[in-house]
Amino acid sequence: GDSVTQMEGPVTLSEEAFLTINCTYTATGYPSLFWYVQYPGEGLQLLLKATKADDKGSNKGFEATYRKETTSFHLEKGSVQVSDSAVYFCALSDRGDMRFGAGTRLTVKP
Amino acid sequence: DTAVSQTPKYLVTQMGNDKSIKCEQNLGHDTMYWYKQDSKKFLKIMFSYNNKELIINETVPNRFSPKSPDKAHLNLHINSLELGDSAVYFCASSLLTGDTDTQYFGPGTRLTVL
Repeated sequence: GDSVTQMEGPVTLSEEAFLTINCTYTATGYPSLFWYVQYPGEGLQLLLKATKADDKGSNKGFEATYRKETTSFHLEKGSVQVSDSAVYFCALSDRGDMRFGAGTRLTVKP
Repeated sequence: DTAVSQTPKYLVTQMGNDKSIKCEQNLGHDTMYWYKQDSKKFLKIMFSYNNKELIINETVPNRFSPKSPDKAHLNLHINSLELGDSAVYFCASSLLTGDTDTQYFGPGTRLTVL
């Protein structure tokens, strides 16, 4: 079945560092791809999404590009802030059947 | 004007009890979901309802029974609670007939079974 693999954490960075969280997927169809963020004690919030190959999703300085040739959707941010500390989930969805990666915990230190 | 709401936010109960968690969405979506998040943050889909009809039913003990009285509500009833049921349960909703099937999540219900 469809699945998502994302880099294991935890990831610890200093403020203003560059962030990459790797995500690869396996799918039989043409899924939509998502990044969700979960702040401590809260539910999941949609961070960005892409619905087809070569689409780039972006929000709050985060970006990810849907790469069909490498089946990847890596999350990047040029300069992280302490407020970005959270757990990040990569996910794919094919007509409502959403599969999540294991989550990557990011801690940003001042 | 909360989009997806769940009640209660916290639920502490004894083993063997029966409990329910309620979920409501006011986004006009046609599909609702229940997920379980374990202590390691791993998220697993449990059920999905589209227009009150069950469309995803993962391998979940039959002690868990979802009920969808209408498109805006999806409740989760759990019988004979066990220690391993302790987790955070998230409700979500989406519009499958739309351009994308983005899911919007509720705040979660933290269930602790003693």
